[in-house]
Amino acid sequence: GNSVTQMEGPVTLSEEAFLTINCTYTATGYPSLFWYVQYPGEGLQLLLKATKADDKGSNKGFEATYRKETTSFHLEKGSVQVSDSAVYFCALNQGSARQLTFGSGTQLTVLP
Amino acid sequence: DTAVSQTPKYLVTQMGNDKSIKCEQNLGHDTMYWYKQDSKKFLKIMFSYNNKELIINETVPNRFSPKSPDKAHLNLHINSLELGDSAVYFCASSRQGFGVTEAFFGQGTRLTVV
Repeated sequence: GNSVTQMEGPVTLSEEAFLTINCTYTATGYPSLFWYVQYPGEGLQLLLKATKADDKGSNKGFEATYRKETTSFHLEKGSVQVSDSAVYFCALNQGSARQLTFGSGTQLTVLP
Repeated sequence: DTAVSQTPKYLVTQMGNDKSIKCEQNLGHDTMYWYKQDSKKFLKIMFSYNNKELIINETVPNRFSPKSPDKAHLNLHINSLELGDSAVYFCASSRQGFGVTEAFFGQGTRLTVV
């Protein structure tokens, strides 16, 4: 079946530090890949997505590249802000699966 | 004009009670979901409905019963609440189809069973 493995947290960084949150997946075929963000007390929001190999999703300074050869979709940001503190979820959707498969989430805390 | 709205946002109740959580989406999506998020933030799908038809029913106690009166609504009824049911429950919706199918989530309902 499909699965998503995320880097375990929590991750604590200082403001303006570089962020990487690793995500690898297992799926048959060609899934679509997503990063969702959950701010404290809120629901999940789509952060970015990529639908095919070598696609790069980007939003709010975050980027992730769909790497089929390494089955990865790592999230990066060059300079994090305190407001980026949240839980980040990697997810995949394979056309036939009819649901999103989520990773376990990574808590990010950015200190001023 | 919230896309996916669920009520209530907080629910505190005693063990043994029966409660319902309501969800509505105004995105015109044909698929709706219920997810449970535990205290470690792990998300687990519970149910999925497509055009009012149940398509995913994960291993969930039968005390949990979803009901979809129409494509825009998916309610969750829980009988005989137990302490272990305490969690945040998220409703979501998506447009079902091959390829990119991102989901839109509600704000969550924090259920506390005492």
